[in-house]
Amino acid sequence: RKEVEQDPGPFNVPEGATVAFNCTYSNSASQSFFWYRQDCRKEPKLLMSVYSSGNEDGRFTAQLNRASQYISLLIRDSKLSDSATYLCVVSTSGTYKYIFGTGTRLKVLA
Amino acid sequence: DAGVIQSPRHEVTEMGQEVTLRCKPISGHNSLFWYRQTMMRGLELLIYFNNNVPIDDSGMPEDRFSAKMPNASFSTLKIQPSEPRDSAVYFCASILEGTEAFFGQGTRLTVV
Repeated sequence: RKEVEQDPGPFNVPEGATVAFNCTYSNSASQSFFWYRQDCRKEPKLLMSVYSSGNEDGRFTAQLNRASQYISLLIRDSKLSDSATYLCVVSTSGTYKYIFGTGTRLKVLA
Repeated sequence: DAGVIQSPRHEVTEMGQEVTLRCKPISGHNSLFWYRQTMMRGLELLIYFNNNVPIDDSGMPEDRFSAKMPNASFSTLKIQPSEPRDSAVYFCASILEGTEAFFGQGTRLTVV
């Protein structure tokens, strides 16, 4: 089983829709969680960190479920510019080993 | 700071040749990562360094791959000999104490 797993998609959604991605991780000692965004042929960039209590940044909401070992990303009111690949990242306590999921592709359609 | 700098941006080489990829991390960052990205396997962690010391190289595919970090401002990833299946985008990323990972623009390697 992979350490971090994501549905590769693609998720094709119309503009204005709400879309959610999940990411599961296998190591219960995982301590830090992030969502990154990667545009085609570009490097990944941090979208947001994921905090235990959940956090929101504009149209984006991230949540952590430690009991079930998954993190989620919710995007409200999708824009064409949200089309990208979304990567979840997990790091284990005491290390700086950042493990990336394979990413979920999102296409927002006009 | 100019961010993480990788060179070259593109590399085309013949099978059997040695390839060296270079990375300059952000000044002050104490962890450096090498990743490889392909369509089939996504972003794979090859090796990471903390304070210039290799901590985990379990992702290095085989002995043909080696990485060094002689000082805090420079790292190399070497493939010798290269094979067509090594074709991928290789990213370097640097981190300060478990915070955000900053990526370089990557090196697109094609082995023919």
